[in-house]
Amino acid sequence: QVQLQESGPGLVKPSETLSLTCTVSRGSISSYYWSWIRQPAGKGLEWIGRIYTTGSTNYNPSLKSRVTMSVDTSKNQFSLRLTSVTAADTAVYYCARVGSSWSQGPGWFDPWGQGTLVAVSS
Amino acid sequence: QSALTQPASVSGSPGQSITISCTGTSSDVGSYNLVSWYQQHPGKAPKLMIYEVSKRPSGVSNHFSGSKSGNTASLTISGLQADDEADYYCCSYAGNSYVFGTGTKVTVL
Repeated sequence: QVQLQESGPGLVKPSETLSLTCTVSRGSISSYYWSWIRQPAGKGLEWIGRIYTTGSTNYNPSLKSRVTMSVDTSKNQFSLRLTSVTAADTAVYYCARVGSSWSQGPGWFDPWGQGTLVAVSS
Repeated sequence: QSALTQPASVSGSPGQSITISCTGTSSDVGSYNLVSWYQQHPGKAPKLMIYEVSKRPSGVSNHFSGSKSGNTASLTISGLQADDEADYYCCSYAGNSYVFGTGTKVTVL
């Protein structure tokens, strides 16, 4: 069973860049879309973006100007960079594989990493 | 891209059935059969319960079922159990993006 694990700093200063990495184990990163999703404390889930193993990306329009995702197939990892962070970016950040079917395409998230809390504070 | 609309809370007694609605638009729920549902217990990562509107992943109990009509999807939990008490989120593909629902807290009375 594929497993995902997020890693990165738990504290980022305002106006700086948030950087996280998701390591995929017990399976290959190839031929799938991979996503980042976040959840502020006590609030709902927000899709941040997705990346295919070729490097093709799609981002949430509300975050597009600040988000960059990348993939390193040799390390079975993909990453998230979010620039110019504010307190509103404080959240638990999850990485997830995007499930896909031949008939419908990529449309659901499974499995998920355990999540990592990132706080934005000086 | 607005969040899909879900009721804030739904409750039921053990053994009862409950249904959670998820209302979107013709740009998301209404256009694609790519609605999924997630269960989230406190402090845990979300768990996929339903995908492609009504399909259950291996290992998910058959007392969870999904459906869709027009711009509204629904998750039904039949024979409510104590462990079903959790937050539930719907999600829809929206054309190279995804949108989640506002979330519903299910309480087992």
